[in-house]
Amino acid sequence: GAVVSQHPSWVICKSGTSVKIECRSLDFQATTMFWYRQFPKQSLMLMATSNEGSKATYEQGVEKDKFLINHASLTLSTLTVTSAHPEDSSFYICSARVGGGAGGTEAFFGQGTRLTVV
Amino acid sequence: AQSVSQHNHHVILSEAASLELGCNYSYGGTVNLFWYVQYPGQHLQLLLKYFSGDPLVKGIKGFEAEFIKSKFSFNLRKPSVQWSDTAEYFCAVNTGGFKTIFGAGTRLFVKA
Repeated sequence: GAVVSQHPSWVICKSGTSVKIECRSLDFQATTMFWYRQFPKQSLMLMATSNEGSKATYEQGVEKDKFLINHASLTLSTLTVTSAHPEDSSFYICSARVGGGAGGTEAFFGQGTRLTVV
Repeated sequence: AQSVSQHNHHVILSEAASLELGCNYSYGGTVNLFWYVQYPGQHLQLLLKYFSGDPLVKGIKGFEAEFIKSKFSFNLRKPSVQWSDTAEYFCAVNTGGFKTIFGAGTRLFVKA
């Protein structure tokens, strides 16, 4: 299957600093990527849909100024957590679909990034 | 809003036992349904999917799921689990748009 690579897999940062997480589609082009957040024992919550060459679409309740998303190319989307606080500590996962358009095509996931803010 | 409910957060089984994980969704229209699995330390990966046609779907590693439209359910089954099936299982629903909504996940532990 298609491969999505996320980096870093684990990061610890100080409160008030910013952290960038990269999501790359290694063997396909992804016009759309998705960013999820997962709290312990809870579901993956969709944060935003990242569209190549345009602004991301954020889900209700997600602060767009805090979680900056950039989708500069067809193979790379980045999520920057700005001015991180301990409550931002979580597991962040990106995914991408092969091919464009809406519908039920399979999504491929990155391995996730565990962010710990101290 | 659409939602996905998985009935069990933790399941412990012995090897060779049968498995059924429940999944219900709330959406009245056409849905695409998925089960994903995440083995310890690995990515989420697709087990099986339903788009249309035969409501009994067979996936990898001996898993199957049945879509029952009247019950808004898509339960995952396996007749005989193995220790290597220890993982977390996520049910997911796509309602035809870009968004895929996930259930909370079920952690399965299979005792050898």
